[in-house]
Amino acid sequence: GAGVSQSPSNKVTEKGKDVELRCDPISGHTALYWYRQSLGQGLEFLIYFQGNSAPDKSGLPSDRFSAERTGGSVSTLTIQRTQQEDSAVYLCASRLGSSPLHFGNGTRLTVT
Amino acid sequence: GIQVEQSPPDLILQEGANSTLRCNFSDSVNNLQWFHQNPWGQLINLFYIPSGTKQNGRLSATTVATERYSLLYISSSQTTDSGVYFCAGPGTDSWGKLQFGAGTQVVVTP
Repeated sequence: GAGVSQSPSNKVTEKGKDVELRCDPISGHTALYWYRQSLGQGLEFLIYFQGNSAPDKSGLPSDRFSAERTGGSVSTLTIQRTQQEDSAVYLCASRLGSSPLHFGNGTRLTVT
Repeated sequence: GIQVEQSPPDLILQEGANSTLRCNFSDSVNNLQWFHQNPWGQLINLFYIPSGTKQNGRLSATTVATERYSLLYISSSQTTDSGVYFCAGPGTDSWGKLQFGAGTQVVVTP
């Protein structure tokens, strides 16, 4: 079956512009996560959605970052007024309950 | 939140060698997972192992939840095993966010 799908796969933007990153989780998965991975680094938690509960936003690095999950499925991560330090690979993952986590291939964001 | 420590940070193996990677947690875990990130950046789930031992081919994992650690064993390593190995565990909520360790970079040489 289809896995977690992220788009775009690559995004180059100018400093100060806004960007939107999209994640389509595996159908039926109730939990959705966003992580960020800078070059050569580990995974930094950003935000977590579980069903209809309020999202856990504790990992968002600043108020320029926000995320939504519409209809319990597709999620969009928005970064406003991008900065060069926002350059990273943004990874989305989903799972059903406490089952194993499935990752998408990520969006590589480059801020010039 | 929970702290996750992985060791060693780097590992160089000759093809055919065995190795053990370790993951320590600052608190008890009930939803521990191991992942492999290949050189192309894809993250693949290897094991979901809150406790006990599991095996998948040349890889196996053991979690001792009461002692807050997990081990990943690679036997008869192959060059395709190269990449970064991450462990991840949640906080007190078993369905909550997963905190990742910094990873172990493994290079298997022919």
